[in-house]
Amino acid sequence: DQQVKQNSPSLSVQEGRISILNCDYTNSMFDYFLWYKKYPAEGPTFLISISSIKDKNEDGRFTVFLNKSAKHLSLHIVPSQPGDSAVYFCAGRDQTGANNLFFGTGTRLTVIP
Amino acid sequence: KAGVTQTPRYLIKTRGQQVTLSCSPISGHRSVSWYQQTPGQGLQFLFEYFSETQRNKGNFPGRFSGRQFSNSRSEMNVSTLELGDSALYLCASSPGPTGGGGYTFGSGTRLTVV
Repeated sequence: DQQVKQNSPSLSVQEGRISILNCDYTNSMFDYFLWYKKYPAEGPTFLISISSIKDKNEDGRFTVFLNKSAKHLSLHIVPSQPGDSAVYFCAGRDQTGANNLFFGTGTRLTVIP
Repeated sequence: KAGVTQTPRYLIKTRGQQVTLSCSPISGHRSVSWYQQTPGQGLQFLFEYFSETQRNKGNFPGRFSGRQFSNSRSEMNVSTLELGDSALYLCASSPGPTGGGGYTFGSGTRLTVV
């Protein structure tokens, strides 16, 4: 049962344009959502998070939007840079406070110079 | 400070064997979680240890087990290996129960079962 879904396995964007990565979830008990970025042969690196009580969180070029009624979140990267090319994972943490994250299957972003 | 260290980085085993993977968390972190990454499945939660106690377990068979030592280092063990166990195994450490981005991942151990 995939509680977090990333339906787009890949995305290509021109350098300088906006990248929008989408994520849907089914578990209403998630209290935090996180985005991780992963390069080949490395572990995922934390990018940005959002509490379930917020609808937007911004950090530099990265903004995450949360739509709780639609159980949908998205990560916006503006402007996109070639170094942003990586696999992006969306994750939700359930409210029990336990340290287990439910990850999506990832979206491979390619930023074309 | 040193990051999360996983050893070994690569491992090749044959079906039926058992394997032990190691994870050393960031100094001061007391929580270690393990994840399995396979193509098409993303990262799937295996289990989490905090203060030497398993607090949560994912939906994996009993062949997957783990433990945590008093210095917070953790090991996971997979017995009777199957071809489908081939994956990247990642561990993440955090200071304790936390929200936000308090999880730091290691680079993983790539296990290949032949």
